[in-house]
Amino acid sequence: AQSVTQLDSHVSVSEGTPVLLRCNYSSSYSPSLFWYVQHPNKGLQLLLKYTSAATLVKGINGFEAEFKKSETSFHLTKPSAHMSDAAEYFCVVSWKTSYDKVIFGPGTSLSVIP
Amino acid sequence: DGGITQSPKYLFRKEGQNVTLSCEQNLNHDAMYWYRQDPGQGLRLIYYSQIVNDFQKGDIAEGYSVSREKKESFPLTVTSAQKNPTAFYLCASSTRTGTPYEQYFGPGTRLTVT
Repeated sequence: AQSVTQLDSHVSVSEGTPVLLRCNYSSSYSPSLFWYVQHPNKGLQLLLKYTSAATLVKGINGFEAEFKKSETSFHLTKPSAHMSDAAEYFCVVSWKTSYDKVIFGPGTSLSVIP
Repeated sequence: DGGITQSPKYLFRKEGQNVTLSCEQNLNHDAMYWYRQDPGQGLRLIYYSQIVNDFQKGDIAEGYSVSREKKESFPLTVTSAQKNPTAFYLCASSTRTGTPYEQYFGPGTRLTVT
């Protein structure tokens, strides 16, 4: 069965310190992996995506994620948190069978302390 | 600008009334999706459509209905049979060619039923 786990429901960091949001997945297929960000009462915005090319993926706003197949992980990182990074982050797994199947993780709420 | 629009942003209804949420895209995407988001939870798929005049139930379709008469439009009706309709509803679309199948999201409609 396919699933996505985000290990922390809430992460709090100080402004200027590193951010680590963890994501593990389970999939029988070769998945595509995404991170989305959602600010309060807004839609979701794509941060980055893994396409089976480079395992280290760079996204917008200084975020990056590393795909580790042996660990089935796709953790999101940023070297230095900014106040505007405070939001909800979703890890997403997608793969193609007879239709486009997508599973969203439960989300991690990131707080940034000034 | 290409994108997805959802209207209205906030919607209030009395219990027992049907209500229709609008979703329009000008991205020329074949696939469209409706998700429901409850506080502290990830997104759950209600319905999806991969082509005009065809749609499939997602994980929580009971109490909802959709139509796909035009490529650009995928309205969602929340019927009186939906036991707990108050939620944030997100519409998305994606191309069905190439990989990965990243989804583009609208800004969402917050429905409150009293």
